[in-house]
Amino acid sequence: EDKVVQSPLSLVVHEGDTVTLNCSYEVTNFRSLLWYKQEKKAPTFLFMLTSSGIEKKSGRLSSILDKKELSSILNITATQTGDSAIYLCASTGNQFYFGTGTSLTVIP
Amino acid sequence: DTAVSQTPKYLVTQMGNDKSIKCEQNLGHDTMYWYKQDSKKFLKIMFSYNNKELIINETVPNRFSPKSPDKAHLNLHINSLELGDSAVYFCASSPRLVDEQYFGPGTRLTVT
Repeated sequence: EDKVVQSPLSLVVHEGDTVTLNCSYEVTNFRSLLWYKQEKKAPTFLFMLTSSGIEKKSGRLSSILDKKELSSILNITATQTGDSAIYLCASTGNQFYFGTGTSLTVIP
Repeated sequence: DTAVSQTPKYLVTQMGNDKSIKCEQNLGHDTMYWYKQDSKKFLKIMFSYNNKELIINETVPNRFSPKSPDKAHLNLHINSLELGDSAVYFCASSPRLVDEQYFGPGTRLTVT
């Protein structure tokens, strides 16, 4: 059965900390791995990774895909309270599979 | 400009009723989706349409019926609503199947 598993389920850090969120996948005909941020409303797209080992960066956020280990990490450096959200990982094969998300809370 | 819009944003109705949720995207995307997000925030795909054709139809009750009159619209009709249908329903679109998706604001459905 195709699935995506994220860890940890929740995380509480202080402003300025660096966090690493994990995503592992088992998906038939894997095509890509995507990260989304969900605050109060709809998920917003962060990154899409299709090739192994390539790092995608946007400001303080970065992500790497390891196709050998069937996993990806999302790093957030110098966290801010505005980073508090649920971070969703999704893998695509024949369709989309979302993980259960990691709830990140950044305390001032 | 709203890229993916849904109406209504909130829907409160009684068990047994029939209701519809509408979705429109102005991004020119070929593919549209319906997702259900439960109280634990788990996103589960329900349907996917590519160029008005049903591509993915996950195991959802046949009380749920999607309709795509054109590439820019994907509506969701729900018959005989049940308590367990209470959730947030998200519409999304992507340029192609299994490409990055853009989500609508969601419709919070409450069945009493």
